[in-house]
Amino acid sequence: SQKIEQNSEALNIQEGKTATLTCNYTNYSPAYLQWYRQDPGRGPVFLLLIRENEKEKRKERLKVTFDTTLKQSLFHITASQPADSATYLCALGGYNKLIFGAGTRLAVHP
Amino acid sequence: EAQVTQNPRYLITVTGKKLTVTCSQNMNHEYMSWYRQDPGLGLRQIYYSMNVEVTDKGDVPEGYKVSRKEKRNFPLILESPSPNQTSLYFCASSPRGQNTEAFFGQGTRLTVV
Repeated sequence: SQKIEQNSEALNIQEGKTATLTCNYTNYSPAYLQWYRQDPGRGPVFLLLIRENEKEKRKERLKVTFDTTLKQSLFHITASQPADSATYLCALGGYNKLIFGAGTRLAVHP
Repeated sequence: EAQVTQNPRYLITVTGKKLTVTCSQNMNHEYMSWYRQDPGLGLRQIYYSMNVEVTDKGDVPEGYKVSRKEKRNFPLILESPSPNQTSLYFCASSPRGQNTEAFFGQGTRLTVV
């Protein structure tokens, strides 16, 4: 069955540094991949979508890469701020379905 | 304001007492779905709907029912709730199936005792 792995341990970084989160998947060939941000007690909020034929996508301080050979996506936040502290979810897309990872918690310290 | 609205936000109920969680979106989206979120397991899809009167099972449909009589509403029904349905539930909508961003509601925290 399809499996998505995100670092279960929290990622702690210093303000101003670049945060890099990893999403690995197996037994799946997604047409696209999405990243969401989730704050405690709230619903996920969409950040970026990258398609299988795209290598990289950027939006302001965010960058996503998608390597279909390695079956991996990397999510980068440059010049991180304490307000970026949240849980980040990756989701693989296909017909009628989004499959979510369990998420990685990011803590940015002043 | 474009949004997905779920009600109630919090609910404590007893085993076997039927309940409905409502979901409404004001963006005229065709696609709607329900997820449950449990620690360490991520979001798992319960049911989805491609359009009015078109629904289908997701990955964990057992114990749940849905209906889609109007485009904007997609209620989740638990006919006989059990403690293993204690979870955080999210409704989501998107404009054209899953190849676009999903908009999520604020969530419903359900406890079944």
